[in-house]
Amino acid sequence: DAGVIQSPRHEVTEMGQEVTLRCKPISGHDYLFWYRQTMMRGLELLIYFNNNVPIDDSGMPEDRFSAKMPNASFSTLKIQPSEPRDSAVYFCASSFIAGISYEQYFGPGTRLTVT
Amino acid sequence: AQSVTQLGSHVSVSEGALVLLRCNYSSSVPPYLFWYVQYPNQGLQLLLKYTSAATLVKGINGFEAEFKKSETSFHLTKPSAHMSDAAEYFCAVSDRRGAQKLVFGQGTRLTINP
Repeated sequence: DAGVIQSPRHEVTEMGQEVTLRCKPISGHDYLFWYRQTMMRGLELLIYFNNNVPIDDSGMPEDRFSAKMPNASFSTLKIQPSEPRDSAVYFCASSFIAGISYEQYFGPGTRLTVT
Repeated sequence: AQSVTQLGSHVSVSEGALVLLRCNYSSSVPPYLFWYVQYPNQGLQLLLKYTSAATLVKGINGFEAEFKKSETSFHLTKPSAHMSDAAEYFCAVSDRRGAQKLVFGQGTRLTINP
């Protein structure tokens, strides 16, 4: 299995531009998570989906952030408009309920720099 | 609300020495507990997990952790450090109702001295 795939790996954009991060979860996984990692705030859960439906978006910082999961094999996290404080590494992770496994498999992350 | 505190943002040990990374949790319900490792420029990888079975949990790469309810702790240990263990380690907690939602600690960066 290729694991969780994220694109792009690096993104540099100017303040005010729209940014779209993409994620392909592991086939057969029914949960998908978006995290943000910064030095100041550590690793934060932004939103997660179950069977393509958003379950908890309480971690989404503000209306500039939105996430979608149109099908079981694809999700996007969009920031519009982007701001310098959005600079971070964004991780996507997926998992499935198998007994009591609950292991989340993380992608390599997208490093976003907003100038 | 659940929370995790990792004592020590940086830990340095000599190769071959004992590794001890500390994690204390707060949870109003029985928790599930996890340790993840992050190597530079990579995503997180699960080391081990506690989900109410044995309190001493063995993971990959020779790591283990013990769940101590009385101390609300889940410290990570390895008897003999290897250079390849240098990484950042994260403790995380979830509860059995929302077991998919993890709350992470701030992380501990482990350095191995030759």
